[in-house]
Amino acid sequence: SELTQPPSVSVSPGQTARISCSGDQLGEKYACWYQKKPGQSPVLVIYQDTKRPSGIPERISGSTSGNTATLTISGTEAIDEADYYCQAWESGSAVFGGGTKLTVL
Amino acid sequence: QVQLVESGGDFVKPGGSLRLSCAASGFTFSDYLMSWIRQTPGQGLEWISSISFRGSPIYYADSVRGRFTASRDNAKNSLYLNMSSLRAEDTAIYYCVCQESNYLDTSAFDYWGQGTPVTVSS
Repeated sequence: SELTQPPSVSVSPGQTARISCSGDQLGEKYACWYQKKPGQSPVLVIYQDTKRPSGIPERISGSTSGNTATLTISGTEAIDEADYYCQAWESGSAVFGGGTKLTVL
Repeated sequence: QVQLVESGGDFVKPGGSLRLSCAASGFTFSDYLMSWIRQTPGQGLEWISSISFRGSPIYYADSVRGRFTASRDNAKNSLYLNMSSLRAEDTAIYYCVCQESNYLDTSAFDYWGQGTPVTVSS
């Protein structure tokens, strides 16, 4: 199955950015989120829907509602500008969303 | 700290073969799932394969099943990806990834290598 993300989200510095990820029966699976900056390897920022790995700032959070997972970045900073991907497992395969380009204007 | 260093990426003609390697350090390699994930130029992330900590079972994406073979050598702390019948659409940066878990469905892609580029072109 597919995970659907908006292609782009724009936010002003200091504002809250929200990136959605929807998919069939996503509510029955764990969602993860990855941050990918140009020329760098992806970084896990949220796992098991809401958990933050060590070193990820508290202003980055995850939530779910029904079949939609949401990545929220509060007090967005220029360093948050990146592509963000959601991911879930289905029947032994990892599925990634198409990615969302977050622009901090 | 966790280090994953890929190697073996190269320029290859369609139909050719290539073997990628990943040297792991900084964690108990034999305890965890490992995966290969790629990012094609200008595109998103695509999962390729995951391999259990014991070396079996191995899971593959439909796009590579039958052409790619993942394996690991726990004694050498190394992960491998044998790629054959390569196609232009396999052109990508290939990442070696560690999942700090033995359970696929609850795991995340916790640590990523720097990636190794593969270009398939005539």
